[in-house]
Amino acid sequence: NAGVTQTPKFQVLKTGQSMTLQCAQDMNHEYMSWYRQDPGMGLRLIHYSVGAGITDQGEVPNGYNVSRSTTEDFPLRLLSAAPSQTSVYFCASSYSLSGNTIYFGEGSWLTVV
Amino acid sequence: AQTVTQSQPEMSVQEAETVTLSCTYDTSESNYYLFWYKQPPSRQMILVIRQEAYKQQNATENRFSVNFQKAAKSFSLKISDSQLGDTAMYFCAFSPQGAQKLVFGQGTRLTINP
Repeated sequence: NAGVTQTPKFQVLKTGQSMTLQCAQDMNHEYMSWYRQDPGMGLRLIHYSVGAGITDQGEVPNGYNVSRSTTEDFPLRLLSAAPSQTSVYFCASSYSLSGNTIYFGEGSWLTVV
Repeated sequence: AQTVTQSQPEMSVQEAETVTLSCTYDTSESNYYLFWYKQPPSRQMILVIRQEAYKQQNATENRFSVNFQKAAKSFSLKISDSQLGDTAMYFCAFSPQGAQKLVFGQGTRLTINP
């Protein structure tokens, strides 16, 4: 059972570079989202999508871009990486109905130098 | 905006003891969902237990149970007969009705000592 798959698991970027974190789920979930986790803090919502073609901003969207062309995939793009974006990134998915279990990927460690 | 507060940054207990992790939240909504997630050193986020706000009965999952006090906006997690594998960060999270997004607390680092 693949569940939510994130790639890459580790990445080092130089300031100003761009990159895409990939996320795919095989559970036919309508809802997908991206969170970041910084030291001493819980996860914070970056962007989310309630279905293909629909995306919206979360709590900390600046510097990130998303798109949802298929139900399965929800990539997160860093447009011009900054040291402040050094973090662990989690992709998550669920059925859209409120209260349903939200499943998380294993995380992607990103360091911007 | 909703906020979630976990006032215990770290806790440590002996194996087989019972431990309670605290969580308070702030919302003006009447219907919502509350969760406890476990994050072991692998960083995987694992759902421990879920509570619907409209249910008065406290949720239980084997050794894990919650004390949900809606009026006080309190949602504590009790771990009975603690095991070494319970060592992890524990996050309390809030999800509003009609939205599948989570607001997390800062986390409590729990260590179970042999």
